Order: sequence, then C-alpha cells, then structure tokens
Amino acid sequence: GENVEQHPSTLSVQEGDSAVIKCTYSDSASNYFPWYKQELGKGPQLIIDIRSNVGEKKDQRIAVTLNKTAKHFSLHITETQPEDSAVYFCAASGVYQKVTFGTGTKLQVIP
Amino acid sequence: DTAVSQTPKYLVTQMGNDKSIKCEQNLGHDTMYWYKQDSKKFLKIMFSYNNKELIINETVPNRFSPKSPDKAHLNLHINSLELGDSAVYFCASSSLAVPEFFGPGTRLTVL
Repeated sequence: GENVEQHPSTLSVQEGDSAVIKCTYSDSASNYFPWYKQELGKGPQLIIDIRSNVGEKKDQRIAVTLNKTAKHFSLHITETQPEDSAVYFCAASGVYQKVTFGTGTKLQVIP
Repeated sequence: DTAVSQTPKYLVTQMGNDKSIKCEQNLGHDTMYWYKQDSKKFLKIMFSYNNKELIINETVPNRFSPKSPDKAHLNLHINSLELGDSAVYFCASSSLAVPEFFGPGTRLTVL
C-alpha cells in the first residue's frame, strides 16, 4: 500500500519568515495530493491540493509543489503569522480514492 | 451553520460496552468517511461511503460497523469496546476525491 513520509515533525519559525514542509510517497499510482491544517481541538481543514498533472499551485501565502518523478511534494507558507500555528498533514490519494496521511508537522510561529 | 456535525463530542465508557457515534453533513456531498486519530495524531481511514454504498473498508475489526441511512448521515457503531479503541474519531464529507470537510471529532475514552 501507499506510504507517506513527512518532515520535519516539528518546525518553529519567526513571524514573517517562510515555512517549508516536505513529503514523499511510495505509490506511483497516487495522483492527488491534499494538505490539511489541524488546529488544537478541531478537525483537519483542507487548505490546498495539487493533482499529478500540475507541478505547482499557489493560493495567497501558501503554495504546493509536486515532483512526480522523485515522488516528492512540499508545502510552502510565506510571511507566516501566529494564526498559521497548527499541525499540518500531507496526504496522497490514488486507487479507489484511498487517502493516506503523513505523520504531521507541528508548526509554531513565534511572534 | 455547521457543515459536518458529530455527536457526542466526548464519550467515556467501560470496556466491553457498545456505543455509537453519529455524523451528519448538510453540504449535499455524496461521499462520507470515518477516520481514526490516535494519540500520536496519526490519521487513518476506516470507512468511506459514496451515496450510501460502502467503497472503502480498511482493516478495521468487525466490532466496528458503519451505517449510512441516507446520503447525509454516516453513523459508527462499536461493539465490545476495548482499551485500544480510545482515540478521536472524525467524520468527513466530500465532493472531491479526498476528504474535504471534517467534523469536530468525537473523543472516545475506554476505561
């Protein structure tokens, strides 16, 4: 089955700096890569996604990149703000729309 | 208005008991899911339904039985609860190939 690895597990940045979270996947059949933000005590929230026919996608301060050959994808957050502090999960979806999640990155933005 | 709602939010029960968690979505989505999040925050798919039909049934003990009376509801019944069932259970719905909106979660504690 699919295996999704996510790094780093924790990340601290100063407010205004950029944050980058990286994921790798194992199943070349995976073709849809969503990212989720989970705030304390809440359910995950889909924040951005990218499909396998696209290399990069941007939405305001967040962007995702995908390298299908290397089976890598990344989340970039620019101009971080304290409200960006949360746990971020990458995920990969393939056959039968089964979604496998990464292990999560706890992002702390220091004011 | 809440998009995906779950009840109860907290559930504390003894080993061996049977309990149910209810989920409702008012988004008109065809697909609903149950996810389990363990103490290390790892998210794992349990079940996925599309238009009341089961499409993903992961390696979950058969003590767990989902029921979808209609497209807007997906309930989870658990028989003979065990200590290892303690976790946060999330319901989600989607119009995409990945979970789009998650509920607030049900924290299950088995004593």
